[in-house]
Amino acid sequence: GESVGLHLPTLSVQEGDNSIINCAYSNSASDYFIWYKQESGKGPQFIIDIRSNMDKRQGQRVTVLLNKTVKHLSLQIAATQPGDSAVYFCAEFFNTGGFKTIFGAGTRLFVKA
Amino acid sequence: NAGVTQTPKFQVLKTGQSMTLQCAQDMNHEYMSWYRQDPGMGLRLIHYSVGAGITDQGEVPNGYNVSRSTTEDFPLRLLSAAPSQTSVYFCASSYEVGDRGGYTFGSGTRLTVV
Repeated sequence: GESVGLHLPTLSVQEGDNSIINCAYSNSASDYFIWYKQESGKGPQFIIDIRSNMDKRQGQRVTVLLNKTVKHLSLQIAATQPGDSAVYFCAEFFNTGGFKTIFGAGTRLFVKA
Repeated sequence: NAGVTQTPKFQVLKTGQSMTLQCAQDMNHEYMSWYRQDPGMGLRLIHYSVGAGITDQGEVPNGYNVSRSTTEDFPLRLLSAAPSQTSVYFCASSYEVGDRGGYTFGSGTRLTVV
C-alpha cells in the first residue's frame, strides 16, 4: 500500500549546523509534497512544498529535494536555530479516484545550543 | 484572522461518554477535515467535508460523526467514547479539496478516555 515514512525518527544537531530530514514515499502517482513543522502543543504548520515536476525548491533557510527515481524527499534546514526544534513530517498528495493525502509519522529535531 | 480554532484544548472522558469537539474557520474555506494523531503514526483522516451539507468518511471513521451545516463550522462527535479514541485531534481546512496550497491546522484537542 501507499506509505510515507521517515528514515530517522530523531535528529540532534548543533546550533548553526545544517539539518537534513528524510522521507520516503511509495506512491509514484503522488504529484505534490509538503513539509510541515509541528512544535510541541501546536498544530502542524506549512513550511515548503514541491510539485512532482520539480526536483528542488528553496525557501528561506529551507530547501526541499525530490528524487522521483528512488521516491525520496528531503528537507534541508540551513544554519539550524533553537527555534527549529520541532517535529517535521512530510505529506504526499495524489488523485486516484479522489484526492488523498498521506502524512508521514515525523522526525523530531533537537537543536543543541 | 484567527484561522482554524479548536475547542476544547484538553478533555478527559469516561468510557461510554459522548462529546463534541468544535472546529471553526474564518477563511471561507470549502474543505474541512478531522485527523487524529497517535504516537509513532502519521495523521489519519477521520471525516471530511467539501462544502456545507456534504460530508464523507476518511480512513478511520468508526465511532465518530460529523456534520457541516455552515461553511465555518465542522464539529466532530464522539458517540460513545472508548480508550482507543485517546489521541490528539486536529481540524484542518483548505480552499478546496486537493488544494495544492496545503492545509491550515488548528492547535489540536488532546483527548483522554479513561
